[in-house]
Amino acid sequence: DSGVTQTPKHLITATGQRVTLRCSPRSGDLSVYWYQQSLDQGLQFLIQYYNGEERAKGNILERFSAQQFPDLHSELNLSSLELGDSALYFCASSVVGLAGNQETQYFGPGTRLLVL
Amino acid sequence: GQQVMQIPQYQHVQEGEDFTTYCNSSTTLSNIQWYKQRPGGHPVFLIQLVKSGEVKKQKRLTFQFGEAKKNSSLHITATQTTDVGTYFCAGGQLSGGSYIPTFGRGTSLIVHP
Repeated sequence: DSGVTQTPKHLITATGQRVTLRCSPRSGDLSVYWYQQSLDQGLQFLIQYYNGEERAKGNILERFSAQQFPDLHSELNLSSLELGDSALYFCASSVVGLAGNQETQYFGPGTRLLVL
Repeated sequence: GQQVMQIPQYQHVQEGEDFTTYCNSSTTLSNIQWYKQRPGGHPVFLIQLVKSGEVKKQKRLTFQFGEAKKNSSLHITATQTTDVGTYFCAGGQLSGGSYIPTFGRGTSLIVHP
């Protein structure tokens, strides 16, 4: 158990819909990262938040957005869902996540999204 | 953009044999991290390498970072069935003052008893 929690564990929805994935980082961790893992693309970094502010952006689609709240939990919003968005979505947290001094990232159990 | 290639994609070994996975980056990396993901599980951090030519060991696992900081390897000596899983490298590169991790596609290790 990494100490990072993610809900829901599984999500089945239809194309065109919108979903929200939730992540609670480990106690004391200020940085939250979101990743997408699919069979054809592998593990892709989406976005990072640090203490409520966006810190780095990866391969995140415009249909996707995220935020980190004052209590440090984070939500990933996926809208206008397409079949290709079906994947495992992981959240990870680290203590600080400073540039050039990458901290250990602790991954949550993931949310498996299936778009039908 | 930065690309991290990892080979092989799959590796079958008999228990007791050695195993090596390799990562190559198209650009110089700030650091490299290695993760292990068991089937149905989530990535678990193994180690981070920062210095050019760095070598670190964890029991039967040996991690190396190339002199040019563009390649890395993970070697497992005398594999055990508990080593089964997918091993990922993640290359870190500074971009606009932030750290952007790029993951390799992973090497899935299958150990036959």
